[in-house]
Amino acid sequence: QSALTQPASVSGSPGQSIAISCTGTNSDVGGYKYVSWYQQHPGKAPKLMIYDVTSRPSGISDRFSGSKSGNTASLTISGLQAEDEADYYCASYTSSSTLVFGGGTKLTVL
Amino acid sequence: EVQLVESGGGFVKPGGSLRLSCAASGFNFKDAWMCWVRQAPGKGLEWVGRIKSKPSGGTTDYAAPVKGRFTISRDDSKNTLYLQMNSLKAEDTALYYCTWDSSGFYRFNLWGQGTQVTATS
Repeated sequence: QSALTQPASVSGSPGQSIAISCTGTNSDVGGYKYVSWYQQHPGKAPKLMIYDVTSRPSGISDRFSGSKSGNTASLTISGLQAEDEADYYCASYTSSSTLVFGGGTKLTVL
Repeated sequence: EVQLVESGGGFVKPGGSLRLSCAASGFNFKDAWMCWVRQAPGKGLEWVGRIKSKPSGGTTDYAAPVKGRFTISRDDSKNTLYLQMNSLKAEDTALYYCTWDSSGFYRFNLWGQGTQVTATS
């Protein structure tokens, strides 16, 4: 199972919106509604930000939203803040009942 | 407090073995589906494997790079998850996280702090 494809890096200024894409195949992203997104700050464990493509866990800001079209899922962060600077990973359930992660995207807040 | 605490990491020679433990508290462990996820130094996250709860069959699934070498097990009486790692390779060097799959479809609401495994001669 190949890793999902994410851009290596994205950047934006405070207050702006950015989107991070996550491309897979019909056997993972395109075939199921089980795409999640994780935020990881340096030296910390990952944190769930979005699950089931569009749902937010309690306590997660509504500035974070998820979507999916075909084999590509996206995480959008609106109203960028300095504390959003982190690595972001997508993950998808697969047709083999396994999990595949994306390679990760480093978000820089300028 | 709801938490996962991993232990058992360390240095091991290639070809050697190591067993990691993950102590769970604050939730119903015996009904929980649990996973291991690893992260090589400076690299991304990689799913290692999963064990279902015993009421759900207690079966396991593994990522291709570790299948046949790693074994996930659980002791519900001790609220503890294990990862037995055999025939370790240099590329298994990583921080190993224990996670709780709260949905059955890999929704990781809870992560441990990780335990470092280094396979080096």
